[in-house]
Amino acid sequence: DTAVSQTPKYLVTQMGNDKSIKCEQNLGHDTMYWYKQDSKKFLKIMFSYNNKELIINETVPNRFSPKSPDKAHLNLHINSLELGDSAVYFCASSQDAGQGQPQHFGDGTRLSIL
Amino acid sequence: AQSVAQPEDQVNVAEGNPLTVKCTYSVSGNPYLFWYVQYPNRGLQFLLKYITGDNLVKGSYGFEAEFNKSQTSFHLKKPSALVSDSALYFCAVRSGGSYIPTFGRGTSLIVHP
Repeated sequence: DTAVSQTPKYLVTQMGNDKSIKCEQNLGHDTMYWYKQDSKKFLKIMFSYNNKELIINETVPNRFSPKSPDKAHLNLHINSLELGDSAVYFCASSQDAGQGQPQHFGDGTRLSIL
Repeated sequence: AQSVAQPEDQVNVAEGNPLTVKCTYSVSGNPYLFWYVQYPNRGLQFLLKYITGDNLVKGSYGFEAEFNKSQTSFHLKKPSALVSDSALYFCAVRSGGSYIPTFGRGTSLIVHP
């Protein structure tokens, strides 16, 4: 069973389009995250939700909007896609936000903007 | 504030030899330290963590790490490297007062047959 699953795995689209990435975790974790990994493999936190409430919102363009319908799901919607949005987006979850529990990552969504 | 440094972009080692991937950190208060591994086209996988207790922490796939408070380091080690250990390794640190960890830039480990 996949613990953290993201769909789609690959996303190729044109500049200016709107797209969504879905994430689900079946681990019963309270906290979920979105990360962006650039071409140099640098990981940057974008958002974090704890029990459906936003707790971290880093400096991310407001074209990016996370939505958490329940604590097992954290989706990412991106408006007006730009070339610089091309990256791999990772969803992750952890048992809680405040203790020393590790994060569990999905296998990523590879977004390519044409 | 919290930060982590992985001073080597790449580490090369021969199969069967011991390996070390370096990590140093800066954090206010006591650190929570983690190592993750990323294989091509996969997400990060948790290897081991240090929260408190013994300075030598053992993790998955035969890896271990040593917490050194005076040197603010948390180097990843393995006594005998395998070709299948070749991957990208990330060190991460979180302070007790922070919700999210800070990741290093990653070290590519290449194990030669």
